[in-house]
Amino acid sequence: GAVVSQHPSWVICKSGTSVKIECRSLDFQATTMFWYRQFPKQSLMLMATSNEGSKATYEQGVEKDKFLINHASLTLSTLTVTSAHPEDSSFYICSARPIGTTLSTDTQYFGPGTRLTVL
Amino acid sequence: LAKTTQPISMDSYEGQEVNITCSHNNIATNDYITWYQQFPSQGPRFIIQGYKTKVTNEVASLFIPADRKSSTLSLPRVSLSDTAVYYCLVLNTDKLIFGTGTRLQVFP
Repeated sequence: GAVVSQHPSWVICKSGTSVKIECRSLDFQATTMFWYRQFPKQSLMLMATSNEGSKATYEQGVEKDKFLINHASLTLSTLTVTSAHPEDSSFYICSARPIGTTLSTDTQYFGPGTRLTVL
Repeated sequence: LAKTTQPISMDSYEGQEVNITCSHNNIATNDYITWYQQFPSQGPRFIIQGYKTKVTNEVASLFIPADRKSSTLSLPRVSLSDTAVYYCLVLNTDKLIFGTGTRLQVFP
């Protein structure tokens, strides 16, 4: 149980194009999903918190107009990288917090990640 | 805000017990301590979570002293497949903030 999927697992795109990444909780519902970015040999950096039915909360320094997040249902959140550039190339990981999880325990389940390469 | 500190890297050999200690001096009263494992090009995987004293599951043990300002993840008899980055986390105002993690390298 508690599986999170991401699609696609990897994507290569040209500079200036937009890329959409999907994050799905397959066997549970999640009111909150999180998006992280990870550069090689570095730790995960939280980009934004996505709540179903409301606007995402972005971390300081993350451009909300560049990284569009939509959390349309309790099992799906999407991240769209708009007008991607080579510096956006990274490993993008989502996580989902099951409904009913208390904040103090905060069990999150992570997706397998999406490797984005912008040429 | 809770912040965690752990060693950047550790080396071990197959069959040995590995203990990774994490300090979290500013942990809040209600916060749990959670450890994740991450392999290259994969998302983090939950290992273990605890509040105080000792927690054990099929993968690891977690030791937390009474003051809860630190915790130790114990991996018994590591194998090559345990080579990964291990993250210690404490909930930080409704979100997980990842520190540097500990890169564990297991040698044959």
